[in-house]
Amino acid sequence: ILNVEQSPQSLHVQEGDSTNFTCSFPSSNFYALHWYRWETAKSPEALFVMTLNGDEKKKGRISATLNTKEGYSYLYIKGSQPEDSATYLCALGTALIFGKGTTLSVSS
Amino acid sequence: GAVVSQHPSRVICKSGTSVKIECRSLDFQATTMFWYRQFPKQSLMLMATSNEGSKATYEQGVEKDKFLINHASLTLSTLTVTSAHPEDSSFYICSARTSGRPGELFFGEGSRLTVL
Repeated sequence: ILNVEQSPQSLHVQEGDSTNFTCSFPSSNFYALHWYRWETAKSPEALFVMTLNGDEKKKGRISATLNTKEGYSYLYIKGSQPEDSATYLCALGTALIFGKGTTLSVSS
Repeated sequence: GAVVSQHPSRVICKSGTSVKIECRSLDFQATTMFWYRQFPKQSLMLMATSNEGSKATYEQGVEKDKFLINHASLTLSTLTVTSAHPEDSSFYICSARTSGRPGELFFGEGSRLTVL
């Protein structure tokens, strides 16, 4: 069974802080890694799909890196804003095996 | 584009009744749909994969007679929880994939089921 671990489980930062969290996964048989942002009462929103070792993707203040050889991906948020408050999920595979998520809270 | 609508968002039912949850792709054809379940403080767990016009493929440990999945058209999949019991109370969410954008999944808003 594919095991996807995310850390930390939750995180509280002040507006303007930069932060990052981790998604860890078995490095064998890697296919693709997805990052999603999930705000309360909304649908999970796709942030990135990453497939190649060394991939770096960026969307505004959010970026992600991928290391398939060592089995981890980092998600970075630069200059956090209150609207960044959400649960960030990573998932692997075609049908998506999810981690438990990292819940980010940003205070103004 | 790529909007998935899930209904109802919340449902409360009595033990022993059946509940149907709908998942619709509003602006694209969903060749494959997935159903997930989430327990408190746990990750989304894949229950089953359904392809339009064929039987759903269930994950290990998911009772196919308990959780009936129908994907009768390219825009609609339904999950019916039959003879629901309190332990079926959970958050259920669907996602859909289109052949035009194979690497992406689009999610519904989820359905909170409470069985009394």
